[in-house]
Amino acid sequence: ETGVTQSPTHLIKTRGQQVTLRCSSQSGHNTVSWYQQALGQGPQFIFQYYREEENGRGNFPPRFSGLQFPNYSSELNVNALELDDSALYLCASSRSGGRSYEQYFGPGTRLTVT
Amino acid sequence: TQLLEQSPQFLSIQEGENLTVYCNSSSVFSSLQWYRQEPGEGPVLLVTVVTGGEVKKLKRLTFQFGDARKDSSLHITAAQPGDTGLYLCAGVPSGGNEKLTFGTGTRLTIIP
Repeated sequence: ETGVTQSPTHLIKTRGQQVTLRCSSQSGHNTVSWYQQALGQGPQFIFQYYREEENGRGNFPPRFSGLQFPNYSSELNVNALELDDSALYLCASSRSGGRSYEQYFGPGTRLTVT
Repeated sequence: TQLLEQSPQFLSIQEGENLTVYCNSSSVFSSLQWYRQEPGEGPVLLVTVVTGGEVKKLKRLTFQFGDARKDSSLHITAAQPGDTGLYLCAGVPSGGNEKLTFGTGTRLTIIP
């Protein structure tokens, strides 16, 4: 069984730029959630995708957007980067139905905005 | 927004000692999970508790869900250096739909 993978591992961007982060879900999982984790804090929910549609969103501005593809992989896009966007971005996959609240996390993408 | 408060925020103890980490909220959760996260990695699921009063054991780790499903605790017996990490509780709000709310985290360091 293949686990959740994310790319890239690390990324450095300049304020105002745009970034795309990628996530491949665990095999058999059809739901992907994205989280932002600032240093020393717990992850904060950004949004979730199920069947290629956004299925819930946390308290993040519209410049945070996403996509889910037919193979259940997902992208997180952030426009007009701000310094406060520097964080670890985590992707988690789960299987809708049953114990669907159990999410499995990837290793994350460390984004630094300068 | 439901908030899960963890205490203590930081804990540093000697190898072999026992410890308890708490996760509290004023809201009810349909289930609660505990994760451990090591530097440079994503959180790894340790356990899920779903019934008020439920107790689960995972080797030296004991997890308890409060009777009212508003709080949880993690007790580690005879801590070992390999237990070092960031411990996160996360709850699925009652009536929620897979949208985990994470706690503030407890950073645990076990000194050999």
